[in-house]
Amino acid sequence: AQSVAQPEDQVNVAEGNPLTVKCTYSVSGNPYLFWYVQYPNRGLQFLLKYITGDNLVKGSYGFEAEFNKSQTSFHLKKPSALVSDSALYFCAVSSGNTPLVFGKGTRLSVIA
Amino acid sequence: DAGVIQSPRHEVTEMGQEVTLRCKPISGHDYLFWYRQTMMRGLELLIYFNNNVPIDDSGMPEDRFSAKMPNASFSTLKIQPSEPRDSAVYFCASRNFGGVEQYFGPGTRLTVT
Repeated sequence: AQSVAQPEDQVNVAEGNPLTVKCTYSVSGNPYLFWYVQYPNRGLQFLLKYITGDNLVKGSYGFEAEFNKSQTSFHLKKPSALVSDSALYFCAVSSGNTPLVFGKGTRLSVIA
Repeated sequence: DAGVIQSPRHEVTEMGQEVTLRCKPISGHDYLFWYRQTMMRGLELLIYFNNNVPIDDSGMPEDRFSAKMPNASFSTLKIQPSEPRDSAVYFCASRNFGGVEQYFGPGTRLTVT
């Protein structure tokens, strides 16, 4: 069975500071890993994915994520946070052809 | 492309009534997924289709829930009879055969009173 853990319900960061949103996963076989963002009253928007290759994946809006196989982690990062980054962030995993399994989400609050 | 389209965006109904949620996937996508989002349980997969055929409906909570995909451009999720605990945001998502990421619609916020 596949699962995702996002250990923090809420992350607060000051504007301009770096941010990290944590994610660990469990899957049989090679993982396909994703980050999505949800703004209020909107659907989930795809940010980035890891399938294979370079462990550092770059995505939309300046976000990146680092795949760490030994720690089974896929943390989302951004060097300098913006107030407009405030949203709900979801990590997800699949084993390729299976539906995405999502974590419970982490609410990011960027304070001016 | 307009993306995944869901209707209605908001639905308020009384307990016991039938509710039908609608979804139009992205043209050319072979997979369609229905998810439910609640504060307590997060995002749960209810059912998914491949080429209009239901593949896995193990996430459908009860027999009150049913889903159909009569053609490649339309799917429905029906709840009959509805109950207050069905209140949630229901998302539809689609994916093409060669891809892995799923594209989500804006969701339908269902309130059952």
